[in-house]
Amino acid sequence: NAGVTQTPKFQVLKTGQSMTLQCAQDMNHNSMYWYRQDPGMGLRLIYYSASEGTTDKGEVPNGYNVSRLNKREFSLRLESAAPSQTSVYFCASSPQYRLSNQPQHFGDGTRLSIL
Amino acid sequence: AQSVTQLDSHVSVSEGTPVLLRCNYSSSYSPSLFWYVQHPNKGLQLLLKYTSAATLVKGINGFEAEFKKSETSFHLTKPSAHMSDAAEYFCVRGGSYIPTFGRGTSLIVHP
Repeated sequence: NAGVTQTPKFQVLKTGQSMTLQCAQDMNHNSMYWYRQDPGMGLRLIYYSASEGTTDKGEVPNGYNVSRLNKREFSLRLESAAPSQTSVYFCASSPQYRLSNQPQHFGDGTRLSIL
Repeated sequence: AQSVTQLDSHVSVSEGTPVLLRCNYSSSYSPSLFWYVQHPNKGLQLLLKYTSAATLVKGINGFEAEFKKSETSFHLTKPSAHMSDAAEYFCVRGGSYIPTFGRGTSLIVHP
């Protein structure tokens, strides 16, 4: 009963390095999301994918790119990491983003530090 | 623009006393509303949801919330706090395709 799986759980990068955060869900959900969580800011949406083959910007997309590889997988890429991107990143999924009464399911997060 | 306001950034209670976490939302119609809990180093877990079936919603671990349309509120309560309830709690509004998150309330439980 895995739900939403994120890898890696922890990562330390140097400024300018690149990396990809991986997310996979096994609930046959159509919609997937990437959030970042910073102290006192709650969760802010970076990108989302309403369905396989589509992606859209959220509230804070600058410095990130995403790929919806297939229905299960949605990756987040930092092309040139900056200290301001130090955060905890959460992936979430939901059955269908237009169904506002359906809750999201979250992974356990990736804790990313950029030096 | 839709918004969700959690009125307290921190709430401190003693074990065995009632818990009240406050949430207000902006809306011109009845939204879907959720409460999530986040334990340290974990993701968010659904506590309960309101989707217009009943105004008093019961969730997991003894939590419940009451939807009050006249007050645009959806406060989370629990009669008796347990040490394991110490966590971050998020009020979330569904609708308009993308959920809107409150900034969270940290619940501190003293022995």
